[in-house]
Amino acid sequence: SAVISQKPSRDICQRGTSLTIQCQVDSQVTMMFWYRQQPGQSLTLIATANQGSEATYESGFVIDKFPISRPNLTFSTLTVSNMSPEDSSIYLCSVWSTASSGNTIYFGEGSWLTVV
Amino acid sequence: GQNIDQPTEMTATEGAIVQINCTYQTSGFNGLFWYQQHAGEAPTFLSYNVLDGLEEKGRFSSFLSRSKGYSYLLLKELQMKDSASYLCAVSNTGKLIFGQGTTLQVKP
Repeated sequence: SAVISQKPSRDICQRGTSLTIQCQVDSQVTMMFWYRQQPGQSLTLIATANQGSEATYESGFVIDKFPISRPNLTFSTLTVSNMSPEDSSIYLCSVWSTASSGNTIYFGEGSWLTVV
Repeated sequence: GQNIDQPTEMTATEGAIVQINCTYQTSGFNGLFWYQQHAGEAPTFLSYNVLDGLEEKGRFSSFLSRSKGYSYLLLKELQMKDSASYLCAVSNTGKLIFGQGTTLQVKP
């Protein structure tokens, strides 16, 4: 299984600032994704992080608000820009992992952001 | 459109069996995942079904019928620690579309 590390695990951010979340995987993976989980809600896909090219964003999410980098097959960052209280959420990195035992999708431990 | 439905809440007794249903209508399908999420924690992987039938893993089993757009998660010998949210998610080329989750409360 893939081991995924996210940083920061938690943060309290001031309104109007930006924060970058890092996601490090212990093995090379083809596909990496970023999700958001707002309080009391299920997970929603923000974007697919593409290695060496621009991320692919889902409806309702734009690059100016959530710029994403993916410089290699083991690392990605998500920036939450110009934060407002509505951005208070858990942000989760996930990877599609293929193995002889089967395919699965793993999640990092999440980054819990509170915007004040 | 994309739609994944599961019950919002369920209650069961310690030691019993509970079945959490999930129905889906999606534009693409690579498989169906079940995740468990305890309050304050990230989701953890429980099961993955890509073919029809039952997959058993210890106390947890998951069933899939692609023709019916239906899955269920079966939890046996319930323990208090099984109180959590259970998320059904359909994969489309690795992208997951989640249902709203089922909050399971296990009572003594």
